[in-house]
Amino acid sequence: AQKVTQAQTEISVVEKEDVTLDCVYETRDTTYYLFWYKQPPSGELVFLIRRNSFDEQNEISGRYSWNFQKSTSSFNFTITASQVVDSAVYFCALSGYNQGGKLIFGQGTELSVKP
Amino acid sequence: DSGVTQTPKHLITATGQRVTLRCSPRSGDLSVYWYQQSLDQGLQFLIHYYNGEERAKGNILERFSAQQFPDLHSELNLSSLELGDSALYFCASSPRQGGLEETQYFGPGTRLLVL
Repeated sequence: AQKVTQAQTEISVVEKEDVTLDCVYETRDTTYYLFWYKQPPSGELVFLIRRNSFDEQNEISGRYSWNFQKSTSSFNFTITASQVVDSAVYFCALSGYNQGGKLIFGQGTELSVKP
Repeated sequence: DSGVTQTPKHLITATGQRVTLRCSPRSGDLSVYWYQQSLDQGLQFLIHYYNGEERAKGNILERFSAQQFPDLHSELNLSSLELGDSALYFCASSPRQGGLEETQYFGPGTRLLVL
């Protein structure tokens, strides 16, 4: 079975702090993709990143970085120097082989960045 | 703005009623997906259409049905509504037939409240 676990339900930080959101996944597929989405208070789901199972290089985009480790089945997301606008619910998702395009989402982590 | 549009944004109806949610994919995208987001179930995949044909079904109730039209817009029909159907319904689209590597871009969602 495929599963995504985001153990942190809520995280609260003060602006400019660094914060890491954890994502652990389960799959028997050797080929799969992992995604992160952001859901701000307005409600829409915004795509952040896609990573395939064969590419374990970490990725950095501005203040955002992602650490993919197959050995621990984790795909963690770090926000450096957090800002109030980063306040949102963040979802990690998995897309596996022969799943008909279905994304399996974690339960989400609500990040609150206080000024 | 993802380019995916959904109407209406909000819908309030009574138990036992039937509603239709509409989605227009991003220009050029051939696949449409429907997801339900509720407090108890989180984000759940409902169904995937590619170029008018159903490709995959998830946890979609028999009271729910969907279709994708020749102009590629899609409709999700919910009938015999129950209180538990209250949720945020998302439509997403992707460029091709829904391979695991395709990024899904989400619309703003339709918030359904069943009273």
